[in-house]
Amino acid sequence: DSGVTQTPKHLITATGQRVTLRCSPRSGDLSVYWYQQSLDQGLQFLIQYYNGEERAKGNILERFSAQQFPDLHSELNLSSLELGDSALYFCASSAPGGRYNEQFFGPGTRLTVL
Amino acid sequence: KNEVEQSPQNLTAQEGEFITINCSYSVGISALHWLQQHPGGGIVSLFMLSSGKKKHGRLIATINIQEKHSSLHITASHPRDSAVYICAVKSGNQFYFGTGTSLTVIP
Repeated sequence: DSGVTQTPKHLITATGQRVTLRCSPRSGDLSVYWYQQSLDQGLQFLIQYYNGEERAKGNILERFSAQQFPDLHSELNLSSLELGDSALYFCASSAPGGRYNEQFFGPGTRLTVL
Repeated sequence: KNEVEQSPQNLTAQEGEFITINCSYSVGISALHWLQQHPGGGIVSLFMLSSGKKKHGRLIATINIQEKHSSLHITASHPRDSAVYICAVKSGNQFYFGTGTSLTVIP
């Protein structure tokens, strides 16, 4: 158990809908990262937050958004869902610090868009 | 264009064999990460490297910054090592991942 929790574990929804994925980092970790893993694209970095502020942006679509709240949990919002958004979504957290620190991954949320 | 290339894509080994998985990257990096993903989907961080070599149990990871290459070695492989091994690099504020090496260790 990495100490990172993600909810829900599974999510099935329809095209055009909007969903919210939630992540709680390890106690004391200030950074949260979001990743998407699909069958055809592999793992892709979406976005990083550090202590409530956006730190880095990867291949995140405009239909997706994220935020990190004062209690450090983070949410990833996916809207106008398309079939191609079906994937495993992981969040990870790392300890405070400016350098690249080891990341601890949550169990993932499996999103299926029908 | 892939910033991170791994080889081989698939690997089958007999229990006890020495295994090497390779990772080459084309960007400047501040760190390289080896991840393990089990069939259930969970991801575990094995190593984070910025230079040299690290060892943890039967696992050894090396990196050559000049050649932009890293290797993950597994000594005395065991069926429980069966998983997908993923190389990831941090370049600036971006993270890039290899497509993974699927390892199967047969008893």
